[in-house]
Amino acid sequence: ETGVTQSPTHLIKTRGQQVTLRCSSQSGHNTVSWYQQALGQGPQFIFQYYREEENGRGNFPPRFSGLQFPNYSSELNVNALELDDSALYLCASSLVQDIGELFFGEGSRLTVL
Amino acid sequence: QKEVEQDPGPLSVPEGAIVSLNCTYSNSAFQYFMWYRQYSRKGPELLMYTYSSGNKEDGRFTAQVDKSSKYISLFIRDSQPSDSATYLCAMIKSGGYQKVTFGTGTKLQVIP
Repeated sequence: ETGVTQSPTHLIKTRGQQVTLRCSSQSGHNTVSWYQQALGQGPQFIFQYYREEENGRGNFPPRFSGLQFPNYSSELNVNALELDDSALYLCASSLVQDIGELFFGEGSRLTVL
Repeated sequence: QKEVEQDPGPLSVPEGAIVSLNCTYSNSAFQYFMWYRQYSRKGPELLMYTYSSGNKEDGRFTAQVDKSSKYISLFIRDSQPSDSATYLCAMIKSGGYQKVTFGTGTKLQVIP
């Protein structure tokens, strides 16, 4: 059983650019969610996908968007990057019926200059 | 005011000590409670999960939920240097999707 994998692990962008982060869910999991974790803070919920549809969103602007593919892999896209977008972006996969039992990847650390 | 409050620490204890970590929350809609452990440069991993008020034990770890006081705790017995990590309380409101609300996290250091 493979765990949740994310790529890239680190990246540096400049303000105004766009970024795509990728996640491969744990085998058998049908739900993927994305979290943003700023330094010294807990993760903040961005959105969740189930059966390729977004079914929940946190307080993030529309320039944060995502996709879930039939093989349960996922992407997080952020447009018009701002300095405050610098953070660790975590992908978590789960089964929709197992409330709260999230399996996290190691994250993608984004630095916006 | 944040929905979930957690003392960020850091908390430093000697090996073998009993550790108590706590969170308070303001919204009674929270019904599911978890503790995650996060090692440096890693993603969080689920330690304990509980739905009801009361205690739940798993090895050296005990999770306690008091819904009437909106207060949750995690106790670690016989703490080990390998327990050094950031501990995040987390909770979910009833109904809807799995939006997990996390605390800030408490950084714990267990000194040999």
